[in-house]
Amino acid sequence: AQSVAQPEDQVNVAEGNPLTVKCTYSVSGNPYLFWYVQYPNRGLQFLLKYITGDNLVKGSYGFEAEFNKSQTSFHLKKPSALVSDSALYFCAVRDASSGYSTLTFGKGTMLLVSP
Amino acid sequence: ETGVTQTPRHLVMGMTNKKSLKCEQHLGHNAMYWYKQSAKKPLELMFVYSLEERVENNSVPSRFSPECPNSSHLFLHLHTLQPEDSALYLCASSQEAEASGGFTDTQYFGPGTRLTVL
Repeated sequence: AQSVAQPEDQVNVAEGNPLTVKCTYSVSGNPYLFWYVQYPNRGLQFLLKYITGDNLVKGSYGFEAEFNKSQTSFHLKKPSALVSDSALYFCAVRDASSGYSTLTFGKGTMLLVSP
Repeated sequence: ETGVTQTPRHLVMGMTNKKSLKCEQHLGHNAMYWYKQSAKKPLELMFVYSLEERVENNSVPSRFSPECPNSSHLFLHLHTLQPEDSALYLCASSQEAEASGGFTDTQYFGPGTRLTVL
């Protein structure tokens, strides 16, 4: 079975400061990992993904995430937060070795960036 | 815009009504999904269609009935719903590698239909 944990319901950060949204995962094989963002009354928007290769993945809007296999983590980061980054962020995982499976999403982390 | 559209954006219905949600993807993808998003709960995968065949049905009540007439369109037919079915219903699509036997690529989501059951 595959699972995702986002340990924080909410992350608060001041504009201009770096931000981190945490994600840990559990799969039996190799993971495919994704981050999505959801703005109010909108669907989920794809930010970035890790499939293979470089552990540091760069995505949309200046976000990046680092895959850490030993810690089974895929934390989302941004060097300088913007007020417009305030939204709900979802981490998702799929077991690449399972032969067949779809994405499992975390429960989401609300990011609030204050001016 | 992600290339996935959903109509209507908002729907209010009584428990005895029959309605349908529509999803259309303009990305040339071969897989489509229905998700339910309720407050304070993780995203719930309801149905998956790959190459117009249903490949996953996650114990969804029979009052929800999906239909995928072609690779670009997906419907969710609703009848005799309950108030607890009120939620945001999201459609997504992806291009899957058939040879892999699984779902590898990025899912692109529509804006959702906000459903309220009275």
